[in-house]
Amino acid sequence: SQTIHQWPATLVQPVGSPLSLECTVEGTSNPNLYWYRQAAGRGLQLLFYSIGIDQISSEVPQNLSASRPQDRQFILSSKKLLLSDSGFYLCACRGYNSPLHFGNGTRLTVT
Amino acid sequence: AQSVTQLDSHVSVSEGTPVLLRCNYSSSYSPSLFWYVQHPNKGLQLLLKYTSAATLVKGINGFEAEFKKSETSFHLTKPSAHMSDAAEYFCVVSDNLNSGYSTLTFGKGTMLLVSP
Repeated sequence: SQTIHQWPATLVQPVGSPLSLECTVEGTSNPNLYWYRQAAGRGLQLLFYSIGIDQISSEVPQNLSASRPQDRQFILSSKKLLLSDSGFYLCACRGYNSPLHFGNGTRLTVT
Repeated sequence: AQSVTQLDSHVSVSEGTPVLLRCNYSSSYSPSLFWYVQHPNKGLQLLLKYTSAATLVKGINGFEAEFKKSETSFHLTKPSAHMSDAAEYFCVVSDNLNSGYSTLTFGKGTMLLVSP
């Protein structure tokens, strides 16, 4: 079965600082990988998805970027954080003919 | 295009009473449907899935859901609520589970509150 490792669990960063959130996947190969954001009182917003190494699709224009340097590694980044980047970030994975599985999330607070 | 409507933002039940979380969907294709549960500051955990097999789907923790095409519904039920069921629940529709380009649409979530 798939296991998703996501870290850190919580993060407090000042406005203007860079961001790097990492997600790695075990138990599957060539998965589709996703980054979602969950802001307070709102549903899940799909930020990025990837169907393969270096293949990234962005769903919404924003201050964030994503990269997939290896098959089972997905990184969410920002050069300069904004207050509006605060939220709960979830990495998710889907193998062939299987539903979406989520990591435990990172709570990001931008101060 | 597809959409998901979770009809209640909050549902309150007493421990030991039945749970009903409502979900209606629209989809141009034969959809796959899912229910996820999220406890505070945790990721989403898959409860159950419907992928065009049996219309009554049994999931983990005693939950089940029935796919009703005529009503475009996929309501989540449990006969007897437990305190540990208190969490947020998300209904999700996918247009094609086998496609790398399938679109997943999440409902806005229903918060289940369980009182002793």
